[in-house]
Amino acid sequence: AQKITQTQPGMFVQEKEAVTLDCTYDTSDQSYGLFWYKQPSSGEMIFLIYQGSYDEQNATEGRYSLNFQKARKSANLVISASQLGDSAMYFCAMREYETGGYNKLIFGAGTRLAVHP
Amino acid sequence: GAGVSQSPSNKVTEKGKDVELRCDPISGHTALYWYRQSLGQGLEFLIYFQGNSAPDKSGLPSDRFSAERTGGSVSTLTIQRTQQEDSAVYLCASSLNSGDNEQFFGPGTRLTVL
Repeated sequence: AQKITQTQPGMFVQEKEAVTLDCTYDTSDQSYGLFWYKQPSSGEMIFLIYQGSYDEQNATEGRYSLNFQKARKSANLVISASQLGDSAMYFCAMREYETGGYNKLIFGAGTRLAVHP
Repeated sequence: GAGVSQSPSNKVTEKGKDVELRCDPISGHTALYWYRQSLGQGLEFLIYFQGNSAPDKSGLPSDRFSAERTGGSVSTLTIQRTQQEDSAVYLCASSLNSGDNEQFFGPGTRLTVL
């Protein structure tokens, strides 16, 4: 069975500094996808970034980048130049591709990030 | 355009009562997903709809949980004879097609069973 592990329940970072949120995964599939979502206190899940297992380059979206190390089965999220608005829960997720041709997301337990001024 | 909407935003009920949670996906999205987020936990998959059919109900925790989708749009998640362990945030997501990577989430319904 697929599994996502986020070992950091909480992280602190100073405003304008970079922070790395850890994510490791376990799967026997050759084709898979990895996601990061942000969940602010309002509760909505906001899609941040996606990395496909066959993508050779690390995904980047503005201040977000995904440090994908396939052999180590890790997909860490790097947030550069942290802002106060980055304070939120961050979830790593894996796409479990089902035979019927759809995606089911498997989520980690999350990391709560607090950005200090 | 409008995003995924869910109602009610909050629901408090007594143990043993039935509840209905509603999800309005983004217009034109054929795939719809329900997830549950218990306190301090990540999300767990409940059920997936493609159009009106539910090919995957594997995540439903018990037979007290059921869901339907009509007209390929609105979905209702029903929990019968609610228990305290059903207290959680229930999130709905939709995607344009079933194979799409990005799922767009609604704001969730916070269910509290007393």
